[in-house]
Amino acid sequence: SQTIHQWPATLVQPVGSPLSLECTVEGTSNPNLYWYRQAAGRGLQLLFYSVGIGQISSEVPQNLSASRPQDRQFILSSKKLLLSDSGFYLCAKTESYGYTFGSGTRLTVV
Amino acid sequence: KNEVEQSPQNLTAQEGEFITINCSYSVGISALHWLQQHPGGGIVSLFMLSSGKKKHGRLIATINIQEKHSSLHITASHPRDSAVYICACNLGGGADGLTFGKGTHLIIQP
Repeated sequence: SQTIHQWPATLVQPVGSPLSLECTVEGTSNPNLYWYRQAAGRGLQLLFYSVGIGQISSEVPQNLSASRPQDRQFILSSKKLLLSDSGFYLCAKTESYGYTFGSGTRLTVV
Repeated sequence: KNEVEQSPQNLTAQEGEFITINCSYSVGISALHWLQQHPGGGIVSLFMLSSGKKKHGRLIATINIQEKHSSLHITASHPRDSAVYICACNLGGGADGLTFGKGTHLIIQP
């Protein structure tokens, strides 16, 4: 089966600290990969997507960055977290049959 | 204005009732997705549609391309169907991710 591994599941970080969320996927090579965020009380929003190694497109200017160092690895990072970075972060990939989502990381910035 | 609109925002029904959730979008799309999000946050892809109708168990999804409208139906609803149902569209047609509706919070009471 096609799976996505995303960790950690929950994270509490102080304002100003760095962030690294990792997503690894199994299955076919060169998948399209995505980072989405769901802020409290709001819908999901696309943050970044990648169509290949080293190729990152950003949808929303923000305090975050993304990298794809390997074909099946997608990393979301921040050098200094803000309170507004709190939310639920989802990694996803697409196949011909649709989307597969990771289990998500709930980030609370305090 | 969100390009993907869902209704209703909240829906409470009794077990066994037939459920309909609606989704409208404002521009041409390459595909429409129905997703299910449970309280823990994890998201499961239910359907990907580009035309017509799909059925999986008690779930039915339809799309009318001319009217830019889709519906998700649940027959013989059950308390375990309680979740947030999200409509999402590929607006660009390429790899550039999904645009999400705000979700419908469904509660099925026993």
